[in-house]
Amino acid sequence: KNQVEQSPQSLIILEGKNCTLQCNYTVSPFSNLRWYKQDTGRGPVSLTIMTFSENTKSNGRYTATLDADTKQSSLHITASQLSDSASYICVVSEGGSYIPTFGRGTSLIVHP
Amino acid sequence: NAGVTQTPKFQVLKTGQSMTLQCAQDMNHEYMSWYRQDPGMGLRLIHYSVGAGITDQGEVPNGYNVSRSTTEDFPLRLLSAAPSQTSVYFCASIPPGGTSEAFFGQGTRLTVV
Repeated sequence: KNQVEQSPQSLIILEGKNCTLQCNYTVSPFSNLRWYKQDTGRGPVSLTIMTFSENTKSNGRYTATLDADTKQSSLHITASQLSDSASYICVVSEGGSYIPTFGRGTSLIVHP
Repeated sequence: NAGVTQTPKFQVLKTGQSMTLQCAQDMNHEYMSWYRQDPGMGLRLIHYSVGAGITDQGEVPNGYNVSRSTTEDFPLRLLSAAPSQTSVYFCASIPPGGTSEAFFGQGTRLTVV
């Protein structure tokens, strides 16, 4: 069964600090991995997409990495801001399927 | 361009009542889906559709019905609401292509008392 595990479950950091969120998956065959940001009371919104051949991709202060051999991904947030407080969800898609597998998310709280 | 629109945003039901959660998208996406999100559980797939007239069950389909008569609309029906169906419901659509992004609605917060 396809699975996506995220860690930590929750994280509290001070404004201006960096943090890294982890995602391990067992989805096969692998197609792509997306990180979504979900603000409280809103639907998830895609931050980045990683395909098999990509190791690193940045979107502003967000940098995602992918190791397809170990089936691990990370999302690094640089110089955190209060607006980064949200849930970050790792989503992995299987080749040939419309149905992605969702992780349970990491809840990030940024304190001033 | 409205994207994915869900109504209502909030709803309170009594146990045993039925209701329909509406979802509409204006992006001409063939694939649409319904998820429920509970604390600590992440998003779980209820039902999905790969086009008008085609629907299938997801991970947690019991107690829910769907139909897809048009490309734009994908309503979710609760047949006889139970407290266990208290949750936040999200509708999503995905354009064709292997790396396509899922577009989510704003969610419907449902409480069954």
